Amino acid sequence: EDQVTQSPEALRLQEGESSSLNCSYTVSGLRGLFWYRQDPGKGPEFLFTLYSAGEEKEKERLKATLTKKESFLHITAPKPEDSATYLCAVQARTGANNLFFGTGTRLTVIP
Amino acid sequence: DAGITQSPRHKVTETGTPVTLRCHQTENHRYMYWYRQDPGHGLRLIHYSYGVKDTDKGEVSDGYSVSRSKTEDFLLTLESATSSQTSVYFCAITDYYEQFFGPGTRLTVL
Repeated sequence: EDQVTQSPEALRLQEGESSSLNCSYTVSGLRGLFWYRQDPGKGPEFLFTLYSAGEEKEKERLKATLTKKESFLHITAPKPEDSATYLCAVQARTGANNLFFGTGTRLTVIP
Repeated sequence: DAGITQSPRHKVTETGTPVTLRCHQTENHRYMYWYRQDPGHGLRLIHYSYGVKDTDKGEVSDGYSVSRSKTEDFLLTLESATSSQTSVYFCAITDYYEQFFGPGTRLTVL
């Protein structure tokens, strides 16, 4: 059974204090691992897709990495506007391209 | 912005009444999805469509039905709403393998 576990559930950082969010997964044949950002009252906003172990992608202060069992979202020198819930999801090679989500990490960056 | 709109954005209804949520896309994507999001759970797939009149069930499909008579519209119907269906509902489309979400509909069943 596909499973995605995100940790920590919540994270408070001072502005400029770098950290990492973890997403561990089990899936029967990974097609892709997805990271989304979600602000309160809004839909998930696509950030990255990673397709194979060793792959890395960057966007501004965010960098996502992937191994065979987990993914990390590294946040370098965060700013208050990075405060959001970050969602991880996996997509299996078989099926309808749907995503299986973790419960998210709620990030708060304090000025 | 993947050209996805959802309507209504907010709805309050009573137990036992039928409810239909609409998802509209402007970019002719083949795959469309309905998810629900609840505290303590990740987004969970309700139903999906892989073309006009082609639909299938997801993880939490009980109590829901869907229809897709046009490429651009995917409807989610709660035949007889229950309080356990109080949730935020998101529509999504797939562009190649990447999935993009609409703004959501907050449904409250009293």
